[in-house]
Amino acid sequence: GAVVSQHPSRVICKSGTSVKIECRSLDFQATTMFWYRQFPKQSLMLMATSNEGSKATYEQGVEKDKFLINHASLTLSTLTVTSAHPEDSSFYICSANVGGKRTEAFFGQGTRLTVV
Amino acid sequence: KNQVEQSPQSLIILEGKNCTLQCNYTVSPFSNLRWYKQDTGRGPVSLTIMTFSENTKSNGRYTATLDADTKQSSLHITASQLSDSASYICVVTYGGATNKLIFGTGTLLAVQP
Repeated sequence: GAVVSQHPSRVICKSGTSVKIECRSLDFQATTMFWYRQFPKQSLMLMATSNEGSKATYEQGVEKDKFLINHASLTLSTLTVTSAHPEDSSFYICSANVGGKRTEAFFGQGTRLTVV
Repeated sequence: KNQVEQSPQSLIILEGKNCTLQCNYTVSPFSNLRWYKQDTGRGPVSLTIMTFSENTKSNGRYTATLDADTKQSSLHITASQLSDSASYICVVTYGGATNKLIFGTGTLLAVQP
């Protein structure tokens, strides 16, 4: 199946700094990628839809200035958590869809962000 | 409201036993339904995908069923192994223009020796 690679898998940063997470589609082009956040023992929550060459679409309640998304190419989307705070500590996962009617989502391996 | 509910919330079984996880959804229009396995600290991995016309789909020891009339799906795991311990997530794709994924809350399965 299609491969989505996410980097880094773990990151620890200090409060007030910014962290960039990369999501790459390795063997296919993705005009759309999705960013999720997952708290312990909860399901994935969609944060935003990343659109190649245009602005991302954010879900209600997600601060666009806090979570900057850039989708500059058909194989790379980045999520930057700006001015990170401890409450931003979470598991962040990206995904890209392949196919039409039988659209299947392929997920990255996730990034564990810890803000200290 | 488009929702996906899973039961049980958590489950403990002995190695070698079978188990069945349930998924009920109210998503309409419906495009497809997927079951994912998510190991702790990892991204979800697809197990099966079924469209409206498919009633059952197998992937090794995993067998998923879909009843589109009652909007129910199940995932049956046969001869469980310790490595089956994970969270199993039912995901329904909204069939409207957005192709949005609606996630269930997951069932946390623990297989004990």
